[in-house]
Amino acid sequence: DQQVKQNSPSLSVQEGRISILNCDYTNSMFDYFLWYKKYPAEGPTFLISISSIKDKNEDGRFTVFLNKSAKHLSLHIVPSQPGDSAVYFCAVLVGHRKLIWGLGTSLAVNP
Amino acid sequence: DADVTQTPRNRITKTGKRIMLECSQTKGHDRMYWYRQDPGLGLRLIYYSFDVKDINKGEISDGYSVSRQAQAKFSLSLESAIPNQTALYFCATSLSWGGANSGANVLTFGAGSRLTVL
Repeated sequence: DQQVKQNSPSLSVQEGRISILNCDYTNSMFDYFLWYKKYPAEGPTFLISISSIKDKNEDGRFTVFLNKSAKHLSLHIVPSQPGDSAVYFCAVLVGHRKLIWGLGTSLAVNP
Repeated sequence: DADVTQTPRNRITKTGKRIMLECSQTKGHDRMYWYRQDPGLGLRLIYYSFDVKDINKGEISDGYSVSRQAQAKFSLSLESAIPNQTALYFCATSLSWGGANSGANVLTFGAGSRLTVL
């Protein structure tokens, strides 16, 4: 069973609008969460993270929200730009030793 | 130059052949990882190493072996390649754990090695 789920394989958004990517996890003991972005023919790159002591972390156009009671986190991109078109992975740090990854959501930002 | 370099970037081989994928890093990170990516399955951890003498199996280590030749080098071997090992392979590095906000949990990935086993 997947411990980290990204239920939307793809998302299409108009340039300038908000993109919201969602991630659900199963274990309430998970306490550190990360988002990575991946362009074709490149490795994933770190985008933003959040620990369970917070419910929001912001970095420029990117904000991650954590709802611990719902075991849900989301990544907001405002405003979305065509260069944001990529696959976004949610990941959870387990035991300070490894990451468990979601399957990714492919975001297309249309001009 | 890239911080994490993988060679080869693309390789086509035949069933039963021995293949080695190499990874080198200039980040000075202690930890190194090998992942594979398959469509619909996301990123899965094959092996990881927290230092030269510490090698650990990941979720899907069967059919693979690794060698940590130095802090900066971590190679992945397929002793006898089979078609279901056709995938995109990523090497990654990170710092040692230093707390939730230390950045140690942030992985730096190489560009990937695409392996096709016929």
